[in-house]
Amino acid sequence: ETGVTQSPTHLIKTRGQQVTLRCSSQSGHNTVSWYQQALGQGPQFIFQYYREEENGRGNFPPRFSGLQFPNYSSELNVNALELDDSALYLCASSLSENEQYFGPGTRLTVT
Amino acid sequence: QQQVKQSPQSLIVQKGGISIINCAYENTAFDYFPWYQQFPGKGPALLIAIRPDVSEKKEGRFTISFNKSAKQFSLHIMDSQPGDSATYFCAAISMGYGGSQGNLIFGKGTKLSVKP
Repeated sequence: ETGVTQSPTHLIKTRGQQVTLRCSSQSGHNTVSWYQQALGQGPQFIFQYYREEENGRGNFPPRFSGLQFPNYSSELNVNALELDDSALYLCASSLSENEQYFGPGTRLTVT
Repeated sequence: QQQVKQSPQSLIVQKGGISIINCAYENTAFDYFPWYQQFPGKGPALLIAIRPDVSEKKEGRFTISFNKSAKQFSLHIMDSQPGDSATYFCAAISMGYGGSQGNLIFGKGTKLSVKP
């Protein structure tokens, strides 16, 4: 176990709705990265937060947004959900320049 | 443009055999190359990683071979076991300096099945 936790485990939303996913990073880690993993694909980078500031963003539209809190936990928010947003959402925590450790993911289904 | 290319897409190996998965990268700024193992319904788990200043790293039955000039690296699983059946992802990252780091670029994955 990595010590990275995510909630909820699964959820189902309707197209057009909004969703918030949560991640608690491993103790002592100051960086959280979010990835989207479509079925049968490798994870794709969404964005990264380092010490509460966004520190890089992948090729995702602005309706994907995030936050990192003073305790380094993080949220991923997705507005105006589309069917293609159905995926496993992964967060990974790390300490500065070191290895990234992934949580179990949140499986989002958009109908 | 895919920056990390992984092959094969799927692999079937007999118990006790050697599993070999290959990756190639394009961006010479990458300076850290991890391999992740993922079981169905789980998040990727860091398996082994290498930096480009060494050509090989071994941890137990898992070995990474790295060819900097060819921009290629591979994972070898010796004495493959049915419990190794999972999807394996290679990745690359520019680790950065001064506290922050870049993002992982993943290959598309290799589904390994080890037959008993």
